[in-house]
Amino acid sequence: EDQVTQSPEALRLQEGESSSLNCSYTVSGLRGLFWYRQDPGKGPEFLFTLYSAGEEKEKERLKATLTKKESFLHITAPKPEDSATYLCAVRRSGYSTLTFGKGTMLLVSP
Amino acid sequence: DAGVIQSPRHEVTEMGQEVTLRCKPISGHNSLFWYRQTMMRGLELLIYFNNNVPIDDSGMPEDRFSAKMPNASFSTLKIQPSEPRDSAVYFCASSLALIRGLAGGEYTGELFFGEGSRLTVL
Repeated sequence: EDQVTQSPEALRLQEGESSSLNCSYTVSGLRGLFWYRQDPGKGPEFLFTLYSAGEEKEKERLKATLTKKESFLHITAPKPEDSATYLCAVRRSGYSTLTFGKGTMLLVSP
Repeated sequence: DAGVIQSPRHEVTEMGQEVTLRCKPISGHNSLFWYRQTMMRGLELLIYFNNNVPIDDSGMPEDRFSAKMPNASFSTLKIQPSEPRDSAVYFCASSLALIRGLAGGEYTGELFFGEGSRLTVL
């Protein structure tokens, strides 16, 4: 059974204080690791897909990296508008569905 | 382009009543997913359709839950009878699923989620 564990459950940062969110996974034949952002009362919004160990992707202040066992979402100099829950998900080879972690709730204070 | 559209956004009902949630996927997408989100369990897959056909319904909790996709632009999730433990946010998502290229490669699109339907069963 695919498993996705995210840590920490919650993270509070000061504006400009860089940090990283962790996503550890167990999946048979990874065919994509996905990062989503979810704002309160909204549906998850797609950020990145990573397919192989060593791959990195960036978007504004966010950078996602992937190893064979985990992924990190690095947030550089965050702003209050980066406050959200960040979800990690994996797709197994041959499947179209995603298995999600429970997310990390990020709060960035001004 | 319009995204995934879900209705109703909020539903409050009493135990034992029938609940029907609706979803319109993004035009051109051939896969549709129903997920349920709670604080305790996070996002859980309920059922997945490909080309309007249910492919995996192993996440449907019990016979009280049923889902249909009569055409490519509409799906429903029905709970009958509803129970308080069904209270959650139900999300519909769509994607462009596996397409095998001439060279044997495959394309798997990301899932696009609707805004969700928040269900409260009293």
